[in-house]
Amino acid sequence: GAVVSQHPSRVICKSGTSVKIECRSLDFQATTMFWYRQFPKQSLMLMATSNEGSKATYEQGVEKDKFLINHASLTLSTLTVTSAHPEDSSFYICSATPTRTGNEQFFGPGTRLTVL
Amino acid sequence: AQSVTQLDSHVSVSEGTPVLLRCNYSSSYSPSLFWYVQHPNKGLQLLLKYTSAATLVKGINGFEAEFKKSETSFHLTKPSAHMSDAAEYFCVVSEKMFSGGYNKLIFGAGTRLAVHP
Repeated sequence: GAVVSQHPSRVICKSGTSVKIECRSLDFQATTMFWYRQFPKQSLMLMATSNEGSKATYEQGVEKDKFLINHASLTLSTLTVTSAHPEDSSFYICSATPTRTGNEQFFGPGTRLTVL
Repeated sequence: AQSVTQLDSHVSVSEGTPVLLRCNYSSSYSPSLFWYVQHPNKGLQLLLKYTSAATLVKGINGFEAEFKKSETSFHLTKPSAHMSDAAEYFCVVSEKMFSGGYNKLIFGAGTRLAVHP
């Protein structure tokens, strides 16, 4: 149980285009999902917290208009990187918290974004 | 605010020898602490968690960690390393976000464990 999927696992795009990453909780409902960014050989940095049916809460220094987050249902959150640039290349990881506990996060396998 | 410090960025051990990955935390109240493992280009897997129950926590794959309040430590250990243990390990503290009712995870910088034959 408590499986989180991400799609796509890897994406390469041209500079200036937008990329959408999906995060799904497969066997549980999650009112809260989190989006992290991880640079090579570094730790995870929380970008934003996504609550179903409401606006995301962004961490300091994360551009809201650059990283659009939509949490449309209890099992799906999307991260859209708008007008991507090479510096946006990174490993993006989502996690989800089951509604009944809210204490533990379950992580997706991550999405490798490369912007040319 | 909560924080965690992983004292070693790299640890190298021989297969069959003990593993010790060190973590110190800072918390204004009784924390929830976690250890996660990440294999290359993969997501994170929970090894174990401490949530104010027993101070010695047993996890998966033979790992365990001991919560020591007096030392503000939560070191991860394993009696005998296996080649498959080579990965990145993160010590994590949970911070309660009262406004949103959810828990925010604060990650340490990570410790890369290498296991040699």
